[in-house]
Formats: sequence, structure tokens, C-alpha cells
Amino acid sequence: KNEVEQSPQNLTAQEGEFITINCSYSVGISALHWLQQHPGGGIVSLFMLSSGKKKHGRLIATINIQEKHSSLHITASHPRDSAVYICAVGSNFGNEKLTFGTGTRLTIIP
Amino acid sequence: DADVTQTPRNRITKTGKRIMLECSQTKGHDRMYWYRQDPGLGLRLIYYSFDVKDINKGEISDGYSVSRQAQAKFSLSLESAIPNQTALYFCATSEAGRLQETQYFGPGTRLLVL
Repeated sequence: KNEVEQSPQNLTAQEGEFITINCSYSVGISALHWLQQHPGGGIVSLFMLSSGKKKHGRLIATINIQEKHSSLHITASHPRDSAVYICAVGSNFGNEKLTFGTGTRLTIIP
Repeated sequence: DADVTQTPRNRITKTGKRIMLECSQTKGHDRMYWYRQDPGLGLRLIYYSFDVKDINKGEISDGYSVSRQAQAKFSLSLESAIPNQTALYFCATSEAGRLQETQYFGPGTRLLVL
């Protein structure tokens, strides 16, 4: 069993829909990261969080440490949100090594 | 200009050849990482370096070596390339200090080993 599981693997939605991507992990962590990989391959960090909730524009990330679960939400989705979204967790041993999920491929149709 | 750059961006090589992938950063970060990405798999750590004198193996270091020439430069070498090293390679950097820091990724190097 992978330490980091994401669901769904693929998601297609209409422009304007509310999007939720889920991430579950099985190890103790110091922080969880959400990353976005553009169709061209580049990777950008969206959020790093260890508790609660963070918001940036139309993106919201939440984490429940007790349940070992995080969600990434996109409100008013747009075709430019089409990308692969990757969840990664940092171990609680403090060495900053990340374990990555396999990603969720999101396609937003105009 | 990009903060984390990788060269080359694309490379085709033959089995048995030695190749080097280079990473440079202008962010002033001490910590640098090399990852590979394969279809259907998550990013996997090859090597990481927490400062110029520190080199550590990641989960898949066999067949690879690295050199940290300066704070800003971290190179990955494949001494004798093999086809299953065909992948997308990313360099990343982060600040030192707190338990967890955001990692900043380069644009990636697409490597094909024939």
C-alpha cells in the first residue's frame, strides 16, 4: 500500500464546477504539500500545511491530521486549472524528504 | 529569469553512455534535490544535498551519482545509461531551517535512453 493515496486518479468537469481532490496518507507527517504540474511538465507548489485550512484565490486546501486526510478544492473551475495535482507528505523526522502521491489529472471542459 | 534552471531540457542518448544533467538556482537555498518521474508513479527522490559538503542517497540512487559544485549548482550523472532510466527528471530547492519548507522545482529534463 502506497503511503500517499490520491483520489480520483482522473477527473473531468465542466467549467464553473466545484472541484475536490482527496489525499490520504498512512504515516506521521510534519506537513503536507499540494503541487500543480502543468501540461508542459513544470511543477509549482500550491500549498504547504500542517493543520487547518489555507486559501489562495480560488484554491482551498484543508487537512485533518487525526484522520490523515487532506482535500484540495477549486471553486469556479476554469480550463486553465487543467493540470495534474500532486499531494506530497513530509515525514515527521524532520529531514524534509517528501513522499509523493501519483497525482490527479484534472480536465476542465469549457 | 527562472529561479531554478535545468539543462538540457531534452536529451536522447544511447545505452552505456555517460550523461550529466545540470541544475542551477538563484534562490540562495542551501538544500537541493534530484527526483525522477515515471508515468503512473509519484516523484521519487534520487539524491539530496543539504549544503555543499552534504550529499545523501534517496530511495532510488543506484545507477546515479551527484556533485554539488557550489551552493547554486547540483549535477546528476548517469555513469552508464540504461533504457529504464528513461524518465522526466526534476531538480528542486528549499530553504534550510524549519521542519518543512516549500520546494521549488526546475522545469524538468526529459531523458530518453535508447
